[in-house]
Amino acid sequence: QSALTQPASVSGSPGQSITISCTGTSSDVGGYNYVSWYQQYPGKAPKLMIYEVSNRPSGVSNRFSGSKSGNTASLTISGLQAEDEADYYCSSYTTTSTYVVFGGGTKLTVL
Amino acid sequence: EVQLVESGGGLVQPGGSLRLSCAASGFTFSTYWMSWVRQAPGKGLEWVANIKHDGSEKYYVDSVKGRFTMSRDNAKNSLYLQMSTLRAEDTAVYYCARLGDYADFDYWGQGSLVIVSS
Repeated sequence: QSALTQPASVSGSPGQSITISCTGTSSDVGGYNYVSWYQQYPGKAPKLMIYEVSNRPSGVSNRFSGSKSGNTASLTISGLQAEDEADYYCSSYTTTSTYVVFGGGTKLTVL
Repeated sequence: EVQLVESGGGLVQPGGSLRLSCAASGFTFSTYWMSWVRQAPGKGLEWVANIKHDGSEKYYVDSVKGRFTMSRDNAKNSLYLQMSTLRAEDTAVYYCARLGDYADFDYWGQGSLVIVSS
């Protein structure tokens, strides 16, 4: 069982917006602004999409945005495109013995 | 362009050992913390270990403490993960990743598959 809770799957039609939630505790998501989001295609390495809750690395589309409220972080993808179909993982710094904890991943299907 | 290239994965028997390597290029390797993150087949990501820029500090997930040793050679721009007393549950793709300033992994290698099986 993963330390952070994500929905197993979400779906949306091209052009729509979707939001993926990531729920933790006050020891991780709720206690620090060190939440990141990764996109992973099958058989490929993860790619950083969001860091420090809401910042986008250079080159990442502004259709991707992040936010946080209490112990829950969220990734929103607007203007869904077929190429957005992938697995998405959240992560957070944690004060437990594990430096970083990940969510179990969410499979995004673009209908 | 930042590049991280892992090597050294393969099939090993339970209780055996294996050494992974990661060759870094495109950035000043000696100024960054580095990490290993693994992903069991069909499963999610799991942080394994971090090492400070000069190798003076290392941190491990509880499940590998005492069995895995992370090291680096800044002169060779290389990162290593020595794995011993391997268990079936260590079977995974192991990624080397550069650690950003906000507990994020900003660049990843392509991964190296380790299979622990008799």
